[in-house]
Amino acid sequence: EAAVTQSPRNKVTVTGGNVTLSCRQTNSHNYMYWYRQDTGHGLRLIHYSYGAGNLQIGDVPDGYKATRTTQEDFFLLLELASPSQTSLYFCASSWGDGAETLYFGSGTRLTVL
Amino acid sequence: QQKVQQSPESLSVPEGGMASFNCTSSDRNFQYFWWYRQHSGEGPKALMSIFSDGDKKEGRFTAHLNKASLHVSLHIRDSQPSDSALYFCAASELNQGGSAKLIFGEGTKLTVSS
Repeated sequence: EAAVTQSPRNKVTVTGGNVTLSCRQTNSHNYMYWYRQDTGHGLRLIHYSYGAGNLQIGDVPDGYKATRTTQEDFFLLLELASPSQTSLYFCASSWGDGAETLYFGSGTRLTVL
Repeated sequence: QQKVQQSPESLSVPEGGMASFNCTSSDRNFQYFWWYRQHSGEGPKALMSIFSDGDKKEGRFTAHLNKASLHVSLHIRDSQPSDSALYFCAASELNQGGSAKLIFGEGTKLTVSS
């Protein structure tokens, strides 16, 4: 099964802090995604990418930057963290788009105090 | 408003019972539909996909799609305690650039009691 590894598993920062969440997939998938999960909202797409150097805007991009440095690595950046960004973040990857299975990591729980 | 809406919010069934989930989308561009399952402390995992109208059966799981009404359902027969999880409906829409993104519903929490 496809492997997607996220780090860190848990992160606590203060308002205005700088946070980077990391994601690596080892299956040469083309697409990588960042979602946030909040009770009552399900999973909401922040950013996604279909290859190194590419970035697509998701549905809730405000306050987030992302960068795909290689086929394997996708980073989510919060440069001025706010309490509203406290959430459970998931990275996922897939071969293609739409009709392909997404493989998710185990998540990063971020708390912004 | 969510483009993919699920009901009910939560569901409790006895072991061996039938669990049923509903999902309605509001965007006729959606072409592919998925059910994902998330156990506590884990990431979501794909359960099954359905792309054509009608039923699709995989073991104890049956999905039904009606594209005309933009409605998809999932039924689990002979529910087991290990089926207790959060179930997400998801749909993909094709955007102008030709790439698609997967939109998830709010989820339904299933509890199967032994």
